[in-house]
Amino acid sequence: AQSVTQLDSHVSVSEGTPVLLRCNYSSSYSPSLFWYVQHPNKGLQLLLKYTSAATLVKGINGFEAEFKKSETSFHLTKPSAHMSDAAEYFCVVSERMFSGGYNKLIFGAGTRLAVHP
Amino acid sequence: DTGVSQDPRHKITKRGQNVTFRCDPISEHNRLYWYRQTLGQGPEFLTYFQNEAQLEKSRLLSDRFSAERPKGSFSTLEIQRTEQGDSAMYLCASSLVGRGLTSGANVLTFGAGSRLTVL
Repeated sequence: AQSVTQLDSHVSVSEGTPVLLRCNYSSSYSPSLFWYVQHPNKGLQLLLKYTSAATLVKGINGFEAEFKKSETSFHLTKPSAHMSDAAEYFCVVSERMFSGGYNKLIFGAGTRLAVHP
Repeated sequence: DTGVSQDPRHKITKRGQNVTFRCDPISEHNRLYWYRQTLGQGPEFLTYFQNEAQLEKSRLLSDRFSAERPKGSFSTLEIQRTEQGDSAMYLCASSLVGRGLTSGANVLTFGAGSRLTVL
């Protein structure tokens, strides 16, 4: 069964410092992994996705994530935080099925990122 | 605006009343999904449609819940005899899948959600 664990419910950083949001996943088959961001009163927005191509995935707004199969991790990073990055971030797993069909997205519980001046 | 639209954005109702939410997906998308998000949690899958066919329902979707997508375009999610435990954000998303498209990615575009408060 698929599952996602976001290791921190809250992360607080100063503007201009690096961001690290941690995610571990469990999947029986070849997973697709995503990071979504949710700003207040706005819909979930895709930051980046991993689908078995390059293990280092670059997303929007300077975010990137590295797929590490040996560690079953997909941590999200950004070199320098901006005030506008303050939001809720969700790590998501979806399994690829050989028979096709919809692979449910399984969301983590979320990490709330606070950015201080 | 060509994104996913949801209506209403907020609904306050009394326990026992029926409520209906509407979702208008991106017009060329053939799949439509409903998720539920409670406070402090990530979204949980409820159901999805491919065109007008409802292909999967979660065990979270009790018999008080019904979803339709009659013409393969917009969708409605109705909750009958609401309970306080139904209070949540109901999210709709859509995607385009099919032959020739990149497989495995299945990127969903989400609406802003409909927040339900049951008193």
